[in-house]
Amino acid sequence: AQKVTQAQTEISVVEKEDVTLDCVYETRDTTYYLFWYKQPPSGELVFLIRRNSFDEQNEISGRYSWNFQKSTSSFNFTITASQVVDSAVYFCALSEVADKLIFGTGTRLQVFP
Amino acid sequence: EADIYQTPRYLVIGTGKKITLECSQTMGHDKMYWYQQDPGMELHLIHYSYGVNSTEKGDLSSESTVSRIRTEHFPLTLESARPSHTSQYLCASTAFSSGRWETQYFGPGTRLLVL
Repeated sequence: AQKVTQAQTEISVVEKEDVTLDCVYETRDTTYYLFWYKQPPSGELVFLIRRNSFDEQNEISGRYSWNFQKSTSSFNFTITASQVVDSAVYFCALSEVADKLIFGTGTRLQVFP
Repeated sequence: EADIYQTPRYLVIGTGKKITLECSQTMGHDKMYWYQQDPGMELHLIHYSYGVNSTEKGDLSSESTVSRIRTEHFPLTLESARPSHTSQYLCASTAFSSGRWETQYFGPGTRLLVL
Protein backbone atom coordinates (compact mmCIF):
# COMPACT_ATOMS: atom_id res chain seq x y z
CA ALA A 1 0.00 0.00 0.00
CA GLN A 2 1.06 3.57 -0.61
CA LYS A 3 1.81 5.83 2.30
CA VAL A 4 3.55 9.14 2.87
CA THR A 5 4.84 10.11 6.30
CA GLN A 6 5.81 13.62 7.29
CA ALA A 7 6.82 13.14 10.90
CA GLN A 8 7.43 16.84 11.58
CA THR A 9 4.09 18.43 12.36
CA GLU A 10 5.45 21.91 12.89
CA ILE A 11 8.84 23.56 12.61
CA SER A 12 9.77 27.06 13.75
CA VAL A 13 12.94 28.81 12.65
CA VAL A 14 14.33 32.30 12.61
CA GLU A 15 14.91 34.02 9.31
CA LYS A 16 18.11 33.02 7.48
CA GLU A 17 18.26 29.64 9.15
CA ASP A 18 18.36 26.55 6.93
CA VAL A 19 15.54 24.07 7.46
CA THR A 20 14.91 20.54 6.20
CA LEU A 21 11.46 19.02 5.87
CA ASP A 22 11.41 15.24 5.97
CA CYS A 23 9.32 12.93 3.81
CA VAL A 24 9.33 9.15 3.93
CA TYR A 25 7.22 7.11 1.54
CA GLU A 26 6.09 3.54 1.09
CA THR A 27 5.24 1.89 -2.20
CA ARG A 28 5.55 -1.54 -3.78
CA ASP A 29 5.85 -0.18 -7.30
CA THR A 30 9.16 0.37 -9.04
CA THR A 31 7.72 3.27 -11.04
CA TYR A 32 6.34 6.12 -9.00
CA TYR A 33 6.40 9.89 -8.69
CA LEU A 34 7.09 12.13 -5.75
CA PHE A 35 5.94 15.70 -5.31
CA TRP A 36 6.23 18.65 -2.98
CA TYR A 37 3.52 21.27 -2.74
CA LYS A 38 3.42 24.48 -0.71
CA GLN A 39 0.21 25.75 0.88
CA PRO A 40 0.50 29.36 2.10
CA PRO A 41 -2.08 30.85 4.50
CA SER A 42 -4.22 31.91 1.53
CA GLY A 43 -5.03 28.23 1.00
CA GLU A 44 -4.01 27.42 -2.55
CA LEU A 45 -1.68 24.52 -3.25
CA VAL A 46 1.43 25.52 -5.17
CA PHE A 47 3.39 22.88 -7.05
CA LEU A 48 7.12 22.90 -6.24
CA ILE A 49 8.68 19.79 -7.71
CA ARG A 50 8.01 16.41 -9.26
CA ARG A 51 10.46 13.54 -9.31
CA ASN A 52 10.15 10.11 -10.90
CA SER A 53 11.56 6.99 -9.31
CA PHE A 54 14.26 6.57 -11.93
CA ASP A 55 15.80 9.96 -11.33
CA GLU A 56 17.70 10.08 -8.07
CA GLN A 57 19.58 13.23 -8.93
CA ASN A 58 19.25 15.90 -6.31
CA GLU A 59 17.73 19.13 -7.49
CA ILE A 60 18.39 22.73 -6.58
CA SER A 61 16.16 25.64 -7.45
CA GLY A 62 17.28 28.90 -5.90
CA ARG A 63 17.04 28.51 -2.13
CA TYR A 64 15.20 25.20 -2.47
CA SER A 65 16.85 21.81 -2.79
CA TRP A 66 15.55 18.26 -2.75
CA ASN A 67 17.35 15.07 -1.72
CA PHE A 68 15.82 11.88 -3.12
CA GLN A 69 17.20 8.64 -1.70
CA LYS A 70 15.56 5.40 -2.77
CA SER A 71 17.66 3.39 -0.31
CA THR A 72 15.88 5.08 2.59
CA SER A 73 12.61 5.85 0.73
CA SER A 74 13.02 9.51 1.51
CA PHE A 75 12.47 12.70 -0.43
CA ASN A 76 13.58 15.53 1.83
CA PHE A 77 13.22 19.23 1.10
CA THR A 78 15.67 21.88 2.31
CA ILE A 79 15.16 25.62 2.34
CA THR A 80 18.40 27.56 2.62
CA ALA A 81 18.42 30.96 4.28
CA SER A 82 14.73 30.82 5.10
CA GLN A 83 12.54 33.89 4.74
CA VAL A 84 9.26 34.92 6.33
CA VAL A 85 7.52 34.32 2.99
CA ASP A 86 8.46 30.66 3.26
CA SER A 87 5.97 30.28 6.12
CA ALA A 88 3.41 27.77 4.90
CA VAL A 89 2.32 24.16 5.17
CA TYR A 90 4.37 21.89 2.94
CA PHE A 91 2.95 18.64 1.63
CA CYS A 92 4.85 15.70 0.24
CA ALA A 93 2.87 13.43 -2.08
CA LEU A 94 3.31 10.11 -3.85
CA SER A 95 1.72 8.74 -6.98
CA GLU A 96 2.15 5.37 -8.62
CA VAL A 97 0.44 6.36 -11.86
CA ALA A 98 1.02 10.11 -11.57
CA ASP A 99 -2.65 10.92 -11.56
CA LYS A 100 -3.75 9.80 -8.11
CA LEU A 101 -1.91 11.59 -5.34
CA ILE A 102 -1.44 10.30 -1.83
CA PHE A 103 -0.59 13.19 0.47
CA GLY A 104 1.31 13.27 3.71
CA THR A 105 -0.17 15.12 6.66
CA GLY A 106 1.95 18.18 5.96
CA THR A 107 4.58 20.12 7.89
CA ARG A 108 3.77 23.63 9.06
CA LEU A 109 6.82 25.85 8.74
CA GLN A 110 6.89 29.14 10.62
CA VAL A 111 9.73 31.51 9.86
CA PHE A 112 10.08 34.34 12.35
CA PRO A 113 11.81 37.62 11.54
CA GLU B 1 1.43 29.11 -13.58
CA ALA B 2 -1.74 27.05 -13.69
CA ASP B 3 -4.96 28.54 -15.05
CA ILE B 4 -7.49 26.93 -12.78
CA TYR B 5 -10.18 28.93 -11.06
CA GLN B 6 -12.57 28.33 -8.22
CA THR B 7 -15.54 30.37 -7.08
CA PRO B 8 -16.52 31.40 -4.56
CA ARG B 9 -13.32 31.63 -2.52
CA TYR B 10 -15.29 31.84 0.72
CA LEU B 11 -18.86 30.80 1.45
CA VAL B 12 -20.84 31.01 4.67
CA ILE B 13 -24.25 29.40 4.41
CA GLY B 14 -27.02 28.03 6.57
CA THR B 15 -27.88 24.38 7.10
CA GLY B 16 -30.13 22.87 4.47
CA LYS B 17 -29.14 25.15 1.60
CA LYS B 18 -28.11 23.81 -1.78
CA ILE B 19 -24.69 24.97 -2.90
CA THR B 20 -22.55 24.60 -5.98
CA LEU B 21 -18.82 25.15 -5.94
CA GLU B 22 -17.44 26.11 -9.32
CA CYS B 23 -14.16 24.97 -10.84
CA SER B 24 -12.90 25.73 -14.31
CA GLN B 25 -9.60 25.44 -16.10
CA THR B 26 -8.40 26.90 -19.38
CA MET B 27 -5.58 24.45 -20.04
CA GLY B 28 -7.64 21.85 -21.87
CA HIS B 29 -6.80 19.26 -19.25
CA ASP B 30 -8.67 15.97 -19.48
CA LYS B 31 -8.66 14.94 -15.86
CA MET B 32 -10.07 16.98 -13.01
CA TYR B 33 -10.30 16.33 -9.28
CA TRP B 34 -11.97 17.54 -6.12
CA TYR B 35 -10.18 17.27 -2.78
CA GLN B 36 -11.49 18.00 0.68
CA GLN B 37 -9.16 19.38 3.33
CA ASP B 38 -9.97 20.11 6.95
CA PRO B 39 -7.87 22.90 8.50
CA GLY B 40 -4.28 21.81 9.03
CA MET B 41 -4.94 18.34 7.73
CA GLU B 42 -4.04 16.35 4.64
CA LEU B 43 -6.01 16.39 1.41
CA HIS B 44 -8.48 13.65 0.61
CA LEU B 45 -9.72 12.87 -2.89
CA ILE B 46 -13.54 12.93 -3.06
CA HIS B 47 -14.28 13.01 -6.82
CA TYR B 48 -12.48 12.85 -10.15
CA SER B 49 -13.25 12.83 -13.83
CA TYR B 50 -11.35 11.51 -16.83
CA GLY B 51 -13.26 13.71 -19.25
CA VAL B 52 -16.70 14.79 -20.41
CA ASN B 53 -19.51 12.65 -18.97
CA SER B 54 -17.05 10.76 -16.75
CA THR B 55 -17.24 11.05 -12.96
CA GLU B 56 -15.83 8.76 -10.27
CA LYS B 57 -15.86 8.74 -6.49
CA GLY B 58 -12.58 9.20 -4.71
CA ASP B 59 -11.06 7.60 -1.66
CA LEU B 60 -13.06 9.63 0.87
CA SER B 61 -16.81 9.17 0.88
CA SER B 62 -18.67 12.43 0.29
CA GLU B 63 -22.32 13.46 0.12
CA SER B 64 -21.46 15.87 -2.66
CA THR B 65 -22.01 15.18 -6.36
CA VAL B 66 -20.15 16.37 -9.44
CA SER B 67 -20.79 16.72 -13.15
CA ARG B 68 -18.60 17.11 -16.22
CA ILE B 69 -20.58 18.43 -19.15
CA ARG B 70 -17.73 20.49 -20.57
CA THR B 71 -14.03 19.71 -20.50
CA GLU B 72 -13.15 22.94 -18.75
CA HIS B 73 -15.84 22.87 -16.07
CA PHE B 74 -16.20 20.54 -13.06
CA PRO B 75 -18.73 21.84 -10.51
CA LEU B 76 -19.39 20.23 -7.13
CA THR B 77 -22.86 20.32 -5.59
CA LEU B 78 -24.16 19.76 -2.09
CA GLU B 79 -27.95 19.35 -2.16
CA SER B 80 -28.41 20.10 1.53
CA ALA B 81 -25.45 21.61 3.34
CA ARG B 82 -24.70 20.55 6.92
CA PRO B 83 -22.14 21.77 9.48
CA SER B 84 -20.17 18.55 8.88
CA HIS B 85 -19.53 19.80 5.33
CA THR B 86 -17.50 22.71 6.68
CA SER B 87 -14.09 22.36 5.08
CA GLN B 88 -11.85 23.63 2.30
CA TYR B 89 -12.52 22.20 -1.15
CA LEU B 90 -9.68 22.20 -3.67
CA CYS B 91 -10.04 21.54 -7.37
CA ALA B 92 -7.16 20.26 -9.52
CA SER B 93 -6.52 19.22 -13.09
CA THR B 94 -3.94 17.40 -15.14
CA ALA B 95 -3.24 16.42 -18.73
CA PHE B 96 -2.27 13.13 -20.33
CA SER B 97 0.88 13.70 -22.34
CA SER B 98 3.57 11.46 -23.84
CA GLY B 99 1.97 8.37 -22.39
CA ARG B 100 1.64 9.56 -18.82
CA TRP B 101 -0.41 11.83 -16.61
CA GLU B 102 1.32 15.10 -15.90
CA THR B 103 1.51 17.06 -12.64
CA GLN B 104 -1.72 18.05 -10.94
CA TYR B 105 -2.24 21.79 -10.68
CA PHE B 106 -4.57 23.19 -8.06
CA GLY B 107 -7.03 26.02 -7.88
CA PRO B 108 -7.12 28.52 -5.01
CA GLY B 109 -9.73 26.57 -3.08
CA THR B 110 -13.16 27.34 -1.61
CA ARG B 111 -13.50 27.65 2.15
CA LEU B 112 -16.99 26.56 3.12
CA LEU B 113 -18.57 27.26 6.49
CA VAL B 114 -22.01 25.80 7.15
CA LEU B 115 -23.79 27.26 10.15
